[in-house]
Amino acid sequence: ELKVEQNPLFLSMQEGKNYTIYCNYSTTSDRLYWYRQDPGKSLESLFVLLSNGAVKQEGRLMASLDTKARLSTLHITAAVHDLSATYFCAVDKDDKIIFGKGTRLHILP
Amino acid sequence: NAGVTQTPKFRVLKTGQSMTLLCAQDMNHEYMYWYRQDPGMGLRLIHYSVGEGTTAKGEVPDGYNVSRLKKQNFLLGLESAAPSQTSVYFCASSYFSGRDYGYTFGSGTRLTVV
Repeated sequence: ELKVEQNPLFLSMQEGKNYTIYCNYSTTSDRLYWYRQDPGKSLESLFVLLSNGAVKQEGRLMASLDTKARLSTLHITAAVHDLSATYFCAVDKDDKIIFGKGTRLHILP
Repeated sequence: NAGVTQTPKFRVLKTGQSMTLLCAQDMNHEYMYWYRQDPGMGLRLIHYSVGEGTTAKGEVPDGYNVSRLKKQNFLLGLESAAPSQTSVYFCASSYFSGRDYGYTFGSGTRLTVV
């Protein structure tokens, strides 16, 4: 059974700081997704990672995938308040997409 | 291009009542999914479909039924609602090969069972 674990589940950080969110999964997969959710809203796709070693960057966010370690990271550089949201990773296995519990990110001005 | 549309957006049910949630997509996607989101639990997969006429169980299927009679629509049914089914329900869809492009989510249905 595929399990997806994110940590931390809650993160409060100062503007301007760097931090990393981790996503571990339990079985082999070569498709991993990162989503952002604002309170009361739907999910917005951030990154699609399709192979070992994949790295994608958008603004202050950078995501990477290590399929051998079954680990993906979402790195935040010089955080700004607008990045406050909940971030989910999700893994694709046998037509099912299983989500982690999410990391609630709160960036303090 | 509407994308993924969920109806209704809000609903209050009494325990034991039934209802159907509709998910409609206009992107010719093969794959469709129903999730529920509860505080601290992330999104949990209820049922999914890999094509017209097919359905399969996800992580938390009990108490729900689904149908995919038309490619563009995926219905989620609650036959006898229970307070434990109070949640926000999201529908998502993707191309078959376009799983490489991620998934498109609807705006959600907030269901309260009293």
